Amino acid sequence: AQSVTQLGSHVSVSEGALVLLRCNYSSSVPPYLFWYVQYPNQGLQLLLKYTSAATLVKGINGFEAEFKKSETSFHLTKPSAHMSDAAEYFCAVSRSGGSNYKLTFGKGTLLTVNP
Amino acid sequence: EPEVTQTPSHQVTQMGQEVILRCVPISNHLYFYWYRQILGQKVEFLVSFYNNEISEKSEIFDDQFSVERPDGSNFTLKIRSTKLEDSAMYFCASNNPRDTEAFFGQGTRLTVV
Repeated sequence: AQSVTQLGSHVSVSEGALVLLRCNYSSSVPPYLFWYVQYPNQGLQLLLKYTSAATLVKGINGFEAEFKKSETSFHLTKPSAHMSDAAEYFCAVSRSGGSNYKLTFGKGTLLTVNP
Repeated sequence: EPEVTQTPSHQVTQMGQEVILRCVPISNHLYFYWYRQILGQKVEFLVSFYNNEISEKSEIFDDQFSVERPDGSNFTLKIRSTKLEDSAMYFCASNNPRDTEAFFGQGTRLTVV
């Protein structure tokens, strides 16, 4: 079984400040990990993914995440927040290998960016 | 760039009515999925489909739900007798065996009144 815990349902930062969104996972098999962003009334957009290559993964819009197996974490960071980053962010896990990418999502973190 | 297409973007239906949500996966994809997101909540897996049969389903996917690939291009989710609590955004996704991720459509917002 797999699960994802996102610490903090709501994170508020100032424009230009560091963004840190936390994600911890549980998986009985080696995982693939994903971060998605969802803007109001829109679909899911993939920000980045870890698929057992480099542990530091760079994504779109200046986001990156580091896979830390010892901590079972995959936290999302961005050095400098922009107003356009305000959205809901979901961490998700799937099994690695195979071809069936059933995803288990976390509850999401709403990011607010203050001017 | 190929994308997963879902229609309609918004559907309103009366409680007790049957509804069919439609998805056109990316053309060479073989694995298909439906997910649900109730307003303000997380995205939940409903079902995965491969080789014309369900490969996995969640507890949510009970007898009122069914999926079908009626032709070579569409993948549908049918809800037989809708309830108020079926109101949600429904996402379709697909991938081929060599992908490392599933690709999502933009979703269909279902409102049951």
